[in-house]
Amino acid sequence: DAKTTQPNSMESNEEEPVHLPCNHSTISGTDYIHWYRQLPSQGPEYVIHGLTSNVNNRMASLAIAEDRKSSTLILHRATLRDAAVYYCILVNNNAGNMLTFGGGTRLMVKP
Amino acid sequence: DGGITQSPKYLFRKEGQNVTLSCEQNLNHDAMYWYRQDPGQGLRLIYYSQIVNDFQKGDIAEGYSVSREKKESFPLTVTSAQKNPTAFYLCASSISQGKKAFFGQGTRLTVV
Repeated sequence: DAKTTQPNSMESNEEEPVHLPCNHSTISGTDYIHWYRQLPSQGPEYVIHGLTSNVNNRMASLAIAEDRKSSTLILHRATLRDAAVYYCILVNNNAGNMLTFGGGTRLMVKP
Repeated sequence: DGGITQSPKYLFRKEGQNVTLSCEQNLNHDAMYWYRQDPGQGLRLIYYSQIVNDFQKGDIAEGYSVSREKKESFPLTVTSAQKNPTAFYLCASSISQGKKAFFGQGTRLTVV
């Protein structure tokens, strides 16, 4: 299975943009890049996903490198409520694949 | 409201007892998953099911069992064979395997 690598932790100041990196050098052509985040003592929640093109939604933007070997989740203005663990995972919609999570990046937001 | 519900939120059991964690969804999702999370760690897949009456082992299935008799329900039994059962257990569902997943709020199991 293709794996992802993320920094263990990152810090940001409130109301500043945050760029969370993810490396996935062994990504296959049919792997989607998904991002989830987990607040303390809660289940993860879906943030965004993409295949090749950059994606935007109300929560965040996803920038995908041209070779697809890395991606960046962008929070445009971090708030204290964005402090969470962010997981980047590869999802293949073919049968036999499932959601496999790594350790994620713990984002700390300073007021 | 549609969603995925885990119960109870906190569960205490004595060592050596089997315990069953509930997971119910009314999202009409085919795929369901169980994960275990230890403090400060990521999620590890225990079992997953693509369809009713079918399920597969994940990375850490030893000491656990599941059933999928109904589309809406995917209960997880933590058996006495699980050597270190104290953990946070998360259930998820998706419309089909590999699609965007929705998670429950988790059950924190403590075995004493």
